[in-house]
Amino acid sequence: GAVVSQHPSWVICKSGTSVKIECRSLDFQATTMFWYRQFPKQSLMLMATSNEGSKATYEQGVEKDKFLINHASLTLSTLTVTSAHPEDSSFYICSAKQGGAHSEQFFGPGTRLTVL
Amino acid sequence: QQPVQSPQAVILREGEDAVINCSSSKALYSVHWYRQKHGEAPVFLMILLKGGEQKGHDKISASFNEKKQQSSLYLTASQLSYSGTYFCGTDTDKLIFGTGTRLQVFP
Repeated sequence: GAVVSQHPSWVICKSGTSVKIECRSLDFQATTMFWYRQFPKQSLMLMATSNEGSKATYEQGVEKDKFLINHASLTLSTLTVTSAHPEDSSFYICSAKQGGAHSEQFFGPGTRLTVL
Repeated sequence: QQPVQSPQAVILREGEDAVINCSSSKALYSVHWYRQKHGEAPVFLMILLKGGEQKGHDKISASFNEKKQQSSLYLTASQLSYSGTYFCGTDTDKLIFGTGTRLQVFP
């Protein structure tokens, strides 16, 4: 089956620093990649949709200058949390899909970010 | 618009059945079902596309009502491995997850 990897799996950083999270589709080319954030005991909330070679589309309430998304190729998307603060501590999960609407999305294992 | 799930939490003994509901005020294009274990990514269970559709595998099945505003996930003869949080989701060009239902199965 299709595999999506994320790196790192966890990261601890100091407040004010920036953190980059990578999401890769290992055995398929992803037409679209998505970034989700999940706080404890809550649902996964979509942050942005990313298409290769174009600007990401952010959901309402997500600061695009704080959460920088780069989709450099059909297999790689990165999320950079700039000037991280403790309230940004969360579980960040990416997903990727090959097809259009209703096609299955494949999820990465997630990245646990802790900002001190 | 985020689909609403009920119940919020379920506690079962092994072998018992459970039903998880997913509702929307507007017709859904499709409904996806996922299970997530703590600290892990969600795992795809199934997708339903058509009103009136029912599908399943093993002891987990789901239905999608004719108006496409409600879906139910049926877990029969639950096993310990069924424990986790279940999410429905709907997508057009992006997948929006429901509020979630936490399921715990005890021996």
